[in-house]
Amino acid sequence: KAGVTQTPRYLIKTRGQQVTLSCSPISGHRSVSWYQQTPGQGLQFLFEYFSETQRNKGNFPGRFSGRQFSNSRSEMNVSTLELGDSALYLCASSPPISGANVLTFGAGSRLTVL
Amino acid sequence: DQQVKQNSPSLSVQEGRISILNCDYTNSMFDYFLWYKKYPAEGPTFLISISSIKDKNEDGRFTVFLNKSAKHLSLHIVPSQPGDSAVYFCAASSGTSYGKLTFGQGTILTVHP
Repeated sequence: KAGVTQTPRYLIKTRGQQVTLSCSPISGHRSVSWYQQTPGQGLQFLFEYFSETQRNKGNFPGRFSGRQFSNSRSEMNVSTLELGDSALYLCASSPPISGANVLTFGAGSRLTVL
Repeated sequence: DQQVKQNSPSLSVQEGRISILNCDYTNSMFDYFLWYKKYPAEGPTFLISISSIKDKNEDGRFTVFLNKSAKHLSLHIVPSQPGDSAVYFCAASSGTSYGKLTFGQGTILTVHP
């Protein structure tokens, strides 16, 4: 069973640019969550999508957005990049079972903003 | 406002001994707790979890203890092995948070041979 796949694994952008990251969840998983990991802040929740609808949202500015497609694949977009957006962006998926919140994470997309 | 805290940034133990990683939380709404392990250049991998209706859960060498009155949980690894060296994150969720987990800052565990 394939795991959570994130692309690209590494990317470098400059301030002011925008970036789109992609996530393919485990087959059958309908929930996709995104997290930002930085050395100083740990893992912070960005948002969660379920059946193409945003179900939860973290405390990030509107520059961070996402969407989910009918096949459960998800993308997140960061516009007007800032130096502080340099981070590891992690995507996680979970099965359509209520209650337990065991997420399976991908390897992440490492974004560097210069 | 950090609702989940891991106060020890790092822990060093000898192979074969017990590793105890601690985590505190402040939000009384949390009712499910998880531990994840993370190696460099990989995503976090799920280790073990515990529901708030229990105070202990075991899985092989890993045991998680939950003290609800103290809002404290701990992960015990016995015996510790060099391959356990990684960053350990505790995370918490509430009944309606679905894919939203609140993570601690992580503890770097180093197990020396």
